[in-house]
Amino acid sequence: ILNVEQSPQSLHVQEGDSTNFTCSFPSSNFYALHWYRWETAKSPEALFVMTLNGDEKKKGRISATLNTKEGYSYLYIKGSQPEDSATYLCALKTSYDKVIFGPGTSLSVIP
Amino acid sequence: NAGVTQTPKFQVLKTGQSMTLQCAQDMNHEYMSWYRQDPGMGLRLIHYSVGAGITDQGEVPNGYNVSRSTTEDFPLRLLSAAPSQTSVYFCASSYRQFSTDTQYFGPGTRLTVL
Repeated sequence: ILNVEQSPQSLHVQEGDSTNFTCSFPSSNFYALHWYRWETAKSPEALFVMTLNGDEKKKGRISATLNTKEGYSYLYIKGSQPEDSATYLCALKTSYDKVIFGPGTSLSVIP
Repeated sequence: NAGVTQTPKFQVLKTGQSMTLQCAQDMNHEYMSWYRQDPGMGLRLIHYSVGAGITDQGEVPNGYNVSRSTTEDFPLRLLSAAPSQTSVYFCASSYRQFSTDTQYFGPGTRLTVL
C-alpha cells in the first residue's frame, strides 16, 4: 500500500507569518493529489485538486504546488490568520476507485 | 441540499454488540465511501461503492459490512463490535470516482466500544 506522508505533524505560527508544509509520496504512479482543510469539530473540505501536469493552484492566500518527479506537494499560506487554524490533509488518488490520505499537518495560528 | 448526513453522531457499544451507522447524500453522487479516523493515522478507507449495487473493500474492511441498495444511502454495519473499532467514522461521497472529483464528507460518528 502506498504511504502518503505529511510534515510537519504540527505547526504553531504567529498571525501574519507565512508558512508551508509538505505532502510526500514514493511514486508518481497516481492520478491526482487532493488537499483538504479540516477544522476542529467539522468535516474535511476540499481545497485543491492537483493533476499530473503540475500546475500551481491558488485560492486567496493559499497556494499549492506539485512535483511529481520528486514525489512531493507543498501547501503555502501567506500571512497566516487565526481562521487558517485547521488540519490540512493531502490525499492521493492511486487508482480509479481508491484514495489514500496522509496523516495531516495541524496548523495553529496564534493571534 | 443537506449534503452528506450521518447518524448517529455519538454511539457507545459493548463488545460483541452490532449496529449500523447510517449515511445518506442528496447530491446524486455515484461514489460513496466510509473512512475511520484514528489519532496519528489519517483517514483509512473501510469500504466504498461506485454505484448502487456495487461495493468493494478498502484498506481496513475486517469487521465491517456495507450495502448500496440505492444511490442515496450507504450504511456501514459493525457485525460484532470490538474495542479496536473505537474510532471516528466518516462517510464521504463524490460525483463519480474520477481523479479530479473531490469528496464531500459527512459530520462523522464518534463510536466507543467498551
